[in-house]
Amino acid sequence: DTGVSQDPRHKITKRGQNVTFRCDPISEHNRLYWYRQTLGQGPEFLTYFQNEAQLEKSRLLSDRFSAERPKGSFSTLEIQRTEQGDSAMYLCASSGPTSGDRTDTQYFGPGTRLTVL
Amino acid sequence: AQTVTQSQPEMSVQEAETVTLSCTYDTSESNYYLFWYKQPPSRQMILVIRQEAYKQQNATENRFSVNFQKAAKSFSLKISDSQLGDTAMYFCAFMNAGAGSYQLTFGKGTKLSVIP
Repeated sequence: DTGVSQDPRHKITKRGQNVTFRCDPISEHNRLYWYRQTLGQGPEFLTYFQNEAQLEKSRLLSDRFSAERPKGSFSTLEIQRTEQGDSAMYLCASSGPTSGDRTDTQYFGPGTRLTVL
Repeated sequence: AQTVTQSQPEMSVQEAETVTLSCTYDTSESNYYLFWYKQPPSRQMILVIRQEAYKQQNATENRFSVNFQKAAKSFSLKISDSQLGDTAMYFCAFMNAGAGSYQLTFGKGTKLSVIP
């Protein structure tokens, strides 16, 4: 169990460019989540996958954002035509059926910090 | 919609002392889970402790314990024997257990500084 990993850890881009982030969940976890965290705030939910199906999307996820989880393993989050307001930490988390844990605890990755110039 | 409120933006505590972080939440649900996460500076968020709402017994994990008051919708975190490594942002989070939605709703966090 190597934990949740995210790539890249930092991304600087110019306004209007497209960016893509990757998340690799804990291997036995079937649920994967994306959150966005801005400075001084708690994380805000963006979207959630169970296996390869995207089951829930927040109203924060505008049509410039798209997430995929092909084959139910890693996930990608793409932001098209980036805006300065997209600057934030993008966190990925995973969870899954674990014996004895009824709370479906989410385990977080280190995040990808996006800066839009 | 659920809301989570952490009313203490910053707190400090002397090493080896005890500190309590406050969290209140608003929900109409009866079946839910509550969490405290810790986010050290420039490091990833890790779970500190979790509580199932149907359990009356307060959760405990080593030096960390909670005071869960369901009727008051309060979920405070007590850290005993504070250590320098406890310096971090602490986030309280809520999950509705009954609706098939697994999203966490977070508070704005409390920045805890442990002073040597």
